[in-house]
Amino acid sequence: NAGVTQTPKFQVLKTGQSMTLQCAQDMNHEYMSWYRQDPGMGLRLIHYSVGAGITDQGEVPNGYNVSRSTTEDFPLRLLSAAPSQTSVYFCASQSRTSGVETQYFGPGTRLLVL
Amino acid sequence: GDSVTQMEGPVTLSEEAFLTINCTYTATGYPSLFWYVQYPGEGLQLLLKATKADDKGSNKGFEATYRKETTSFHLEKGSVQVSDSAVYFCALLGGKLIFGQGTELSVKP
Repeated sequence: NAGVTQTPKFQVLKTGQSMTLQCAQDMNHEYMSWYRQDPGMGLRLIHYSVGAGITDQGEVPNGYNVSRSTTEDFPLRLLSAAPSQTSVYFCASQSRTSGVETQYFGPGTRLLVL
Repeated sequence: GDSVTQMEGPVTLSEEAFLTINCTYTATGYPSLFWYVQYPGEGLQLLLKATKADDKGSNKGFEATYRKETTSFHLEKGSVQVSDSAVYFCALLGGKLIFGQGTELSVKP
């Protein structure tokens, strides 16, 4: 049982490049979320999904796309990276029967956009 | 809107020292309060929680008391170990889950 896994651990991009941050969970959780963490700020919700085929925007969705074709995977896409997207990105999952505070978090992806 | 403020880090302590990490919040209504811990190379984990005023959450020797009068939820541990070195996040759940900025703790032998 690997929990929540994220790849890559670290990535450097140039402005305008695109990339996909991968997130996978093996706990059969219905809910999955993406957060970003910036220096001096708490985690902020980017997008979330309550099940395969269903996604919705969080607090800071601009510049990011998501899709959820399977229960296990929830990739986050940056179509045209900007320096403002330099951050640490966390993916999380939870069962729909448990509270949001009990989310399982991945180890994070550090992204640097030059 | 709702918000959480934590003391700035990093906090560096010697093993067996007393730990306090301050957390204050602003919220309408009566949120639930949480502390999360992130060990190096791992994801955040829920450490403890309190759901109403005067509740005390505790786990792994850590404690925090929900103080409505001072809108605080300070994390304490009587004797820290090297293995407690991590980043600690305070959070509240009102309409949504809101995190503080995190406080890095480094414990030296």
